[in-house]
Amino acid sequence: DAGVTQSPTHLIKTRGQHVTLRCSPISGHKSVSWYQQVLGQGPQFIFQYYEKEERGRGNFPDRFSARQFPNYSSELNVNALLLGDSALYLCASSRQGMNTEAFFGQGTRLTVV
Amino acid sequence: QQQVKQSPQSLIVQKGGISIINCAYENTAFDYFPWYQQFPGKGPALLIAIRPDVSEKKEGRFTISFNKSAKQFSLHIMDSQPGDSATYFCAATLISSGSARQLTFGSGTQLTVLP
Repeated sequence: DAGVTQSPTHLIKTRGQHVTLRCSPISGHKSVSWYQQVLGQGPQFIFQYYEKEERGRGNFPDRFSARQFPNYSSELNVNALLLGDSALYLCASSRQGMNTEAFFGQGTRLTVV
Repeated sequence: QQQVKQSPQSLIVQKGGISIINCAYENTAFDYFPWYQQFPGKGPALLIAIRPDVSEKKEGRFTISFNKSAKQFSLHIMDSQPGDSATYFCAATLISSGSARQLTFGSGTQLTVLP
């Protein structure tokens, strides 16, 4: 089975631009979460979606938004990019219910210049 | 506010030695404590996890020790191998309003195992 796939793998954007990151969860997984990992730090929770509804939001500004599609894939959007948004953006998928194991993709490396 | 504190930041051990990484949490509502291993250029991968009703869990060379009263848990890697060289993250989950969970990560420990 394919794991969590994210695209693109690398991206360079200019300050003030907008970016869209994409994630396809493992087949059968209905929950997708997004994390931001700044170099040298642990991942920080941004959003969680389950059954196309937002189920949680971390401490990130409104410039960050996301959505989940009927096929359970997801997009993370960031507007008005800042230099500080440069990071590895990770997507994780998991099954519903008591199984709490989250499977991570390889991430999208975003560089804002 | 950092809710999961991890130490040390970096760790160097000899092949065959024991690697020990410690974490402390603040939120007593956390109910699941996984450890993730991350290699450069890769996403984190689940290594082992424990629930607060268990004091210890062992899987192969990896053991989690959990102290609920102290709100601390640790990862022990026995017979450490050069292939274990990676960054290790402890994490904790909090039951959200939905049916899935959100992870709070520690800051990471970069482990280097010398041959």
